[in-house]
Amino acid sequence: EAGVVQSPRYKIIEKKQPVAFWCNPISGHNTLYWYLQNLGQGPELLIRYENEEAVDDSQLPKDRFSAERLKGVDSTLKIQPAELGDSAVYLCASSLEQRVTGELFFGEGSRLTVL
Amino acid sequence: SQQGEEDPQALSIQEGENATMNCSYKTSINNLQWYRQNSGRGLVHLILIRSNEREKHSGRLRVTLDTSKKSSSLLITASRAADTASYFCATDAGYQFYFGTGTSLTVIP
Repeated sequence: EAGVVQSPRYKIIEKKQPVAFWCNPISGHNTLYWYLQNLGQGPELLIRYENEEAVDDSQLPKDRFSAERLKGVDSTLKIQPAELGDSAVYLCASSLEQRVTGELFFGEGSRLTVL
Repeated sequence: SQQGEEDPQALSIQEGENATMNCSYKTSINNLQWYRQNSGRGLVHLILIRSNEREKHSGRLRVTLDTSKKSSSLLITASRAADTASYFCATDAGYQFYFGTGTSLTVIP
């Protein structure tokens, strides 16, 4: 069974440029998470989806970040415009459980460098 | 903000020794999980312990949970070089998972 797939693995852009990350969760996993991980820190939640509905986006900086999960499967996280402080790893995770109790399956992450 | 804090931040041991890392959290939880992250990779689930459990084992892993002290410990016995990674605890307070700051474990062959 394929795991959570993320792309691109690495992205280098200049500040003020847009960037998008894509995530394909494990088949059948209705819950999808986007996390931000700064160097030396643990992941911090940006947004959680139950199917196509964003049920928790309180930590998403909505002035420059947006996300979508069309048809309740793949998801895209976008930053526009990117700032220097956005340099981090963006992790996608999925879960079979609809309540926040189950094991999370993580992708390899997308490492963003903003110059 | 992160709810959990792991202690120590970094740990270096010889292969074959045991490694113990601790996690403290702030609010009541439903369960607590431990994850491993190899450098440059995603997190991998290791073990889940529910709030009504005190101890759980999985292979060379032993996890304890003390809800009165709001703390958990992860013990890795007979460590191997392949155990070198960062270890995170994650607490579930019902609304989202909160990850700690992580313990970086280095196992020297």
